[in-house]
Amino acid sequence: SQQGEEDPQALSIQEGENATMNCSYKTSINNLQWYRQNSGRGLVHLILIRSNEREKHSGRLRVTLDTSKKSSSLLITASRAADTASYFCATDWGSGYALNFGKGTSLLVTP
Amino acid sequence: DAGVTQSPTHLIKTRGQHVTLRCSPISGHKSVSWYQQVLGQGPQFIFQYYEKEERGRGNFPDRFSARQFPNYSSELNVNALLLGDSALYLCASSLTGDIRTDTQYFGPGTRLTVL
Repeated sequence: SQQGEEDPQALSIQEGENATMNCSYKTSINNLQWYRQNSGRGLVHLILIRSNEREKHSGRLRVTLDTSKKSSSLLITASRAADTASYFCATDWGSGYALNFGKGTSLLVTP
Repeated sequence: DAGVTQSPTHLIKTRGQHVTLRCSPISGHKSVSWYQQVLGQGPQFIFQYYEKEERGRGNFPDRFSARQFPNYSSELNVNALLLGDSALYLCASSLTGDIRTDTQYFGPGTRLTVL
C-alpha cells in the first residue's frame, strides 16, 4: 500500500509562478524525501527532510514538514518549463530499507 | 562519475516468458534496491540487497527473484510473465541501503511490456 498521498494529482501553471504540492502520510517517519520524474524515466532525488526538521531549502525548492499533521509540502518558486515533471514524496516504513511512494503530482509549466 | 545504469532500456515479452533485468550501482555503493512502477502509480518496493544478501522484500509473488553479484551489480528475474507485470522497473543504489540516512539514487529504468 502507498502511505504517501500527494495533492493535487495534477497542477498546471505558467512560467514564473510558484508551484505548491502537498504530501500526507499515515505513520511516524524518520524522514521524508521528494523525487522528480521526467516523462516516465528515472527518479531524481530532490531533497530529504528529517523528522526533527521543519523546513529545508535547496535552490528554488522549499520543503516543509509538519509531523503533528503528518504532512509535507514542496514549493517550487519561479517555475520554469523545465520543471514540468511528476513529483513524488516518499517515506520509510520503519524498516529502514523500503521507500514508500505516493502516486505523485503531475506538474505542467507552460511558457 | 557514472550514475546508476540499467539494461536493457526497453523490453517486449509475451505472457509466460521470463525476463532478466540488470542494474549497475554507483561506484562504491553496496546496496541495490528494485522498484516496480505501473503507469500512473508511484514506485512499489520489490527487493533490497546489501552485500549480496537480501535485506528486504516487498509484497510480490515468488515469480520475482533477484541476486547481487560480488561487484555489487544486480539482476532482477521475473518468471511466468503476466500482462500485469508490464511496468517501468527501477533500480536504486546507495552506500548502505539505510533509507533513514542514505539517499537512494535511481537509474533510468527498464520499460517492460508484456503482450
